[in-house]
Amino acid sequence: GAVVSQHPSRVICKSGTSVKIECRSLDFQATTMFWYRQFPKQSLMLMATSNEGSKATYEQGVEKDKFLINHASLTLSTLTVTSAHPEDSSFYICSANRILGGYTFGSGTRLTVV
Amino acid sequence: EDQVTQSPEALRLQEGESSSLNCSYTVSGLRGLFWYRQDPGKGPEFLFTLYSAGEEKEKERLKATLTKKESFLHITAPKPEDSATYLCAVQAAAGNKLTFGGGTRVLVKP
Repeated sequence: GAVVSQHPSRVICKSGTSVKIECRSLDFQATTMFWYRQFPKQSLMLMATSNEGSKATYEQGVEKDKFLINHASLTLSTLTVTSAHPEDSSFYICSANRILGGYTFGSGTRLTVV
Repeated sequence: EDQVTQSPEALRLQEGESSSLNCSYTVSGLRGLFWYRQDPGKGPEFLFTLYSAGEEKEKERLKATLTKKESFLHITAPKPEDSATYLCAVQAAAGNKLTFGGGTRVLVKP
């Protein structure tokens, strides 16, 4: 139980285009979902927290117009990287907070912007 | 501000050589301390949650302990498949987000 599915696992896009990453909780309802960014050999950096039906809360320094987060239901959150540039290349990971507690992470998305 | 510091940054072990990883934290009221394992190119995999000082949890060759200032992850007689990055994170009493430490990269050689 408590599985979070993240798609795609890898994506390559051209500079200036937008990319959407999906995060789904498959067998539970997630009150809150979180989006992280991870650079090589570094830890997870929280980008934003999203609650179903409300606007996401972004961490300091994260551009909300660049990283659009939508949490349309209790099982789905999406992160859209708009007008991507090579410096946006990174490993993006989502996690879902279960109603009864605990956090389950997705398998991550490797974004490469060329 | 909540802070989590993990040491060492990297650890090389021979198979069977037991060791401990440290996670020091400062948090305004601890709701939970979490240990995760992360393999390259994958998301973190849940290991343990500890809630109060003195608590201990075990899973196979791993044992996690908690005091009021730090947590240890003990790896007993490690095997090569225990090679991974181990992440520690805390959740404060107020709020529901996790603050992660920098992780410890463990390499177990056969």
